[in-house]
Amino acid sequence: DSGVTQTPKHLITATGQRVTLRCSPRSGDLSVYWYQQSLDQGLQFLIQYYNGEERAKGNILERFSAQQFPDLHSELNLSSLELGDSALYFCASSVGASPYNEQFFGPGTRLTVL
Amino acid sequence: EDQVTQSPEALRLQEGESSSLNCSYTVSGLRGLFWYRQDPGKGPEFLFTLYSAGEEKEKERLKATLTKKESFLHITAPKPEDSATYLCAVPMNRDDKIIFGKGTRLHILP
Repeated sequence: DSGVTQTPKHLITATGQRVTLRCSPRSGDLSVYWYQQSLDQGLQFLIQYYNGEERAKGNILERFSAQQFPDLHSELNLSSLELGDSALYFCASSVGASPYNEQFFGPGTRLTVL
Repeated sequence: EDQVTQSPEALRLQEGESSSLNCSYTVSGLRGLFWYRQDPGKGPEFLFTLYSAGEEKEKERLKATLTKKESFLHITAPKPEDSATYLCAVPMNRDDKIIFGKGTRLHILP
């Protein structure tokens, strides 16, 4: 158990809908990272937050947004969902802002868009 | 273009048969490289961080090495429980994006 929690574990929804994925980092970690993993693309970095502020941005679509709250939990919002958004979504946390800190991954949320 | 490429895509070994996985990258001024292990349906688990060419790190049957152009993950006398996908990742210098390779699926036969 990495200490990172993600909810829900599974999510099934329809095209055009909006969903919110939630992540709670390990106690003491200030950075949260979001990743998307699909069979053809592998693990793709989406975005990093550090202590409530956006720190680094990857290939995150404009339909997707994230935020980190004062209690350090983070949410990833996915809107106008398309079939291609079906994937595993992971969050990870680390103690500092540097991308060279060890990251601890959560168990993931499996999103299925029908 | 910054890239991280892993080979082979898949590898089947007999228990006890040592081998190496490769991660090559095209990143100028590398400042670090990660290795992770991922079991099916689970999140990646951190293994190693390597910071400079010539550095080596070991953990049980795994040993990671780094050169200026690539990293190797050597697996010595593997056991079936070493079966997993092994991922390498490199943070980019200019914007701290993290690029993962597509992984090597390792299967150790008893």
